[in-house]
Amino acid sequence: QKEVEQDPGPLSVPEGAIVSLNCTYSNSAFQYFMWYRQYSRKGPELLMYTYSSGNKEDGRFTAQVDKSSKYISLFIRDSQPSDSATYLCAMKRGAGNNRKLIWGLGTSLAVNP
Amino acid sequence: EAGVTQFPSHSVIEKGQTVTLRCDPISGHDNLYWYRRVMGKEIKFLLHFVKESKQDESGMPNNRFLAERTGGTYSTLKVQPAELEDSGVYFCASSLAGTSGYEQYFGPGTRLTVT
Repeated sequence: QKEVEQDPGPLSVPEGAIVSLNCTYSNSAFQYFMWYRQYSRKGPELLMYTYSSGNKEDGRFTAQVDKSSKYISLFIRDSQPSDSATYLCAMKRGAGNNRKLIWGLGTSLAVNP
Repeated sequence: EAGVTQFPSHSVIEKGQTVTLRCDPISGHDNLYWYRRVMGKEIKFLLHFVKESKQDESGMPNNRFLAERTGGTYSTLKVQPAELEDSGVYFCASSLAGTSGYEQYFGPGTRLTVT
């Protein structure tokens, strides 16, 4: 069983739509939950992170973590064509020097003008 | 400020040959990581350096892979001899010391094709 599950899509939405992306995980030791965005032929770029449970908002982006369900989400409001990219969830344990990120497959998103 | 750079951007080699990938982290970042993405699979951790020391090499697939970080600056990842299953995109990332490591800055990757 994979530690992190993420539907690869692709997901196609019209400009202005609300986008919902999500991941599930199996390892209860994960404490940090990140969303990275990756444009074609580029490396992943950190978009948002959440420590433990709760919500975090940054502009048009909201990240949610539900540790009881082992489920994380990223919402994009008023989506723009520039949001078209692959969105990857990544997680890590909180303890000590363990900095290994565990990744989902990534969801390919296309926002159509 | 320059980001993480990787060289080459693309390498095509034959099975059995040797390839060396290079990563230059962001200046001042003590932590350096190597990851690999094989087509159709998730990005997988390979190893983590703190300065010149290997902190965690649990993701290295086998002894055909050798990573070094001389002087705690740039890092190289050598594959010798290369096999077909080594094909993929190799990402390097770096992060500041004293952080929890959730914020890792990635390079554009080296696309390795073994034929």
